[in-house]
Amino acid sequence: EVKLLESGGGLVQPGGSMRLSCAASGFTFTDFYMYWIRQPAGKAPEWLGFIRNKANGYTTEYNPSVKGRFTISRDNTQNMLYLQMNTLRAEDTATYYCARGAFDYWGQGVMVTVSS
Amino acid sequence: DIQMTQSPSSLPASLGDRVTITCRASQDIGNYLRWFQQKPGKSPRLMIYGATNLAAGVPSRFSGSRSGSDYSLTINSLESEDMAIYYCLQHNEYPFTFGSGTKLEIK
Repeated sequence: EVKLLESGGGLVQPGGSMRLSCAASGFTFTDFYMYWIRQPAGKAPEWLGFIRNKANGYTTEYNPSVKGRFTISRDNTQNMLYLQMNTLRAEDTATYYCARGAFDYWGQGVMVTVSS
Repeated sequence: DIQMTQSPSSLPASLGDRVTITCRASQDIGNYLRWFQQKPGKSPRLMIYGATNLAAGVPSRFSGSRSGSDYSLTINSLESEDMAIYYCLQHNEYPFTFGSGTKLEIK
């Protein structure tokens, strides 16, 4: 059974940093692109970026809205996906989801609140 | 960025109705269009991929179609479990962009 489980969310002050994790299981992790998407309360989701699979060199793409502040990485030995978020702003407050390539499986989401 | 203009934003409907939700792409996206269903407090669920293909486990009353730059999600014979917010997503060009959502609710 495919499972994605995010962790690491919470409250952070503006200008702070946070790293989200996504634990993957039930599939061959290295075969898949992995995505991060966020969704502010009551709004549509926003694609943040992805990291490619082994066949495509684990390279990354980002939404310009977060490029330079957010970094996506993966630990293929642990089947883990990460989102490092720096210089956080109030508008980064949202539920953050990881998703498998093709968007066919999503984690349950983790809340990030940026506030003083 | 490619804009996905989704309509309507709200859709009151009765059980058993046939309903259609539409996303219009501001640029050519080919068939790189997916539809998601989201219920309160839950993650989005993939319903349609490649504009017209039913995702695994999705009831056959759901279907997707394309006419030019207009992409539609149709639900035949609406059931209570279909009440949710539906989003489209284009993944043809970076940044991938979602529609603004359609809230399907009981009339």
